Amino acid sequence: GENVEQHPSTLSVQEGDSAVIKCTYSDSASNYFPWYKQELGKGPQLIIDIRSNVGEKKDQRIAVTLNKTAKHFSLHITETQPEDSAVYFCAASPGTGGFKTIFGAGTRLFVKA
Amino acid sequence: DGGITQSPKYLFRKEGQNVTLSCEQNLNHDAMYWYRQDPGQGLRLIYYSQIVNDFQKGDIAEGYSVSREKKESFPLTVTSAQKNPTAFYLCASRGLGGETQYFGPGTRLLVL
Repeated sequence: GENVEQHPSTLSVQEGDSAVIKCTYSDSASNYFPWYKQELGKGPQLIIDIRSNVGEKKDQRIAVTLNKTAKHFSLHITETQPEDSAVYFCAASPGTGGFKTIFGAGTRLFVKA
Repeated sequence: DGGITQSPKYLFRKEGQNVTLSCEQNLNHDAMYWYRQDPGQGLRLIYYSQIVNDFQKGDIAEGYSVSREKKESFPLTVTSAQKNPTAFYLCASRGLGGETQYFGPGTRLLVL
């Protein structure tokens, strides 16, 4: 069935460094790729998303890249801050063509001050 | 969070008891979802509903039941058949023609 693999499961960086989280999806019908940030004890919050007709998208310190041929997409956080510490989930869905979204297992990011 | 509310924040269940988790949204979204999250794990789909009076099983529906009598409400019942119910339960919704699922704040269910 459809699957999204996410790596690494845990990532520790020094404040000010960059963090990169990578995901691979299996369903060729996927064309919408959101990223969520989940703080302890809270629900996931959408932080950025990308559609298959775009290769890269940036929003301040956060960027996502998509390689549709290789079925890879990545989240890049620059100039990390302690408040970036959280669990990050990638996801893939067929966009408006379907109702199910497949989530990665999550990456726990620690930013050390 | 935003227009999706879940209650209660914490819920305690005794052996053999059914409990119901509430999820309400005022976003006028058609689709609603329930996920289970275990410590250090990802999100697993329990049930989802695309329209009122219709719902489908997700990947781990056994021991759970839902109803969708109103567009804004999608309650989840954890039945006594669910032998390991301790988890964090997340409700989400998505608009018709939309792509993004928006999540509520979650309910933590604990067994006494």
